[in-house]
Amino acid sequence: EDKVVQSPLSLVVHEGDTVTLNCSYEVTNFRSLLWYKQEKKAPTFLFMLTSSGIEKKSGRLSSILDKKELSSILNITATQTGDSAIYLCAVPNAGGTSYGKLTFGQGTILTVHP
Amino acid sequence: KAGVTQTPRYLIKTRGQQVTLSCSPISGHRSVSWYQQTPGQGLQFLFEYFSETQRNKGNFPGRFSGRQFSNSRSEMNVSTLELGDSALYLCASSPYHEGPSNTGELFFGEGSRLTVL
Repeated sequence: EDKVVQSPLSLVVHEGDTVTLNCSYEVTNFRSLLWYKQEKKAPTFLFMLTSSGIEKKSGRLSSILDKKELSSILNITATQTGDSAIYLCAVPNAGGTSYGKLTFGQGTILTVHP
Repeated sequence: KAGVTQTPRYLIKTRGQQVTLSCSPISGHRSVSWYQQTPGQGLQFLFEYFSETQRNKGNFPGRFSGRQFSNSRSEMNVSTLELGDSALYLCASSPYHEGPSNTGELFFGEGSRLTVL
């Protein structure tokens, strides 16, 4: 069974700080790793990392995949209060080719104080 | 373009009752997935549908069922409700089921918050 573990489970920082969120995974057949942000109710997609695309960047957010260590990190630089959210890491169903079935980690609750 | 719409947004039921939740995907999206989110277990996969066929099912008891209609709208049903079924039920849609065009992005609705008393 696929497994995803995130750390830390919660993190409190001040605006301007840089944070690093961790995700480790165990899958029988790795296809990709996805990051989502959940602010209130609906998670929103951030990045998908694959063997051919191990680093992604969007503004202050960046993510790297380490296939050797079976892990990924999500970095947020110059944090803002609007970055406060739950950050979720997930892997798709190892036995299939769709992305509708995801195994999620527990999430990291990030709180950014002004 | 309207997002994923889930109804009802909130509902309260008592043990033993049944509930039906509805999800309208983004127009043109044919793949719909359902997830249960609780503080203790996080987000857990329930079902995945494409073209009215269930493609994947999570590790939930038979009390949890779902279906997809020809217009891609989906419903899930939970019978004989238990206290532990209290959760946020999230629906997600995607334009693709498989293939190289699949970016892996799921578009989630705001969820249906079920409370079982």
